[in-house]
Amino acid sequence: DTAVSQTPKYLVTQMGNDKSIKCEQNLGHDTMYWYKQDSKKFLKIMFSYNNKELIINETVPNRFSPKSPDKAHLNLHINSLELGDSAVYFCASSRDGTGGNTIYFGEGSWLTVV
Amino acid sequence: DAKTTQPTSMDCAEGRAANLPCNHSTISGNEYVYWYRQIHSQGPQYIIHGLKNNETNEMASLIITEDRKSSTLILPHATLRDTAVYYCIVREETSGSRLTFGEGTQLTVNP
Repeated sequence: DTAVSQTPKYLVTQMGNDKSIKCEQNLGHDTMYWYKQDSKKFLKIMFSYNNKELIINETVPNRFSPKSPDKAHLNLHINSLELGDSAVYFCASSRDGTGGNTIYFGEGSWLTVV
Repeated sequence: DAKTTQPTSMDCAEGRAANLPCNHSTISGNEYVYWYRQIHSQGPQYIIHGLKNNETNEMASLIITEDRKSSTLILPHATLRDTAVYYCIVREETSGSRLTFGEGTQLTVNP
């Protein structure tokens, strides 16, 4: 009964392909996030949704498009994959987006673009 | 969000207390201090957070100085499984706030 679950855990794909990473949380939280951890191990926020509404959109190429069909799911779709997109992508959630509510992370999805 | 400064690495003997310092001298009154850790190849794990008062839970204790410009995370009895990168993060109280990760402290617990 993992709280924040992501699929797939590992993904190897060729440049130019389109791929999606799915995320689901069973915590009843209203806010969900996508973070990216690159090869230098820096964790950076990409997007945040609150009740299916986009509230944070960092400087991310528009090839990345998050989709939230309901507040328990936040999927990440990536078009025209590039070598530089290789990274670990972490989904996370919190009760709401305020600072006093803890953000819980999934186990990550390892994306390798070849 | 206020910037934090942590030592790059620390060592601790198994069974001893691990004290991880963090400086956040520009913290404002509505910013929380959060601690997370990341064990190799896993997702960031929440440890503890606080606003003004010291906090304790089953994992650790958080000591925040009175002026709130620094804090210390204490793992009371470190085990080998506590070897990880520990992140001290200052986070705004407002809606839409985020966790901004720095480089953290690599804690190595030695047998």
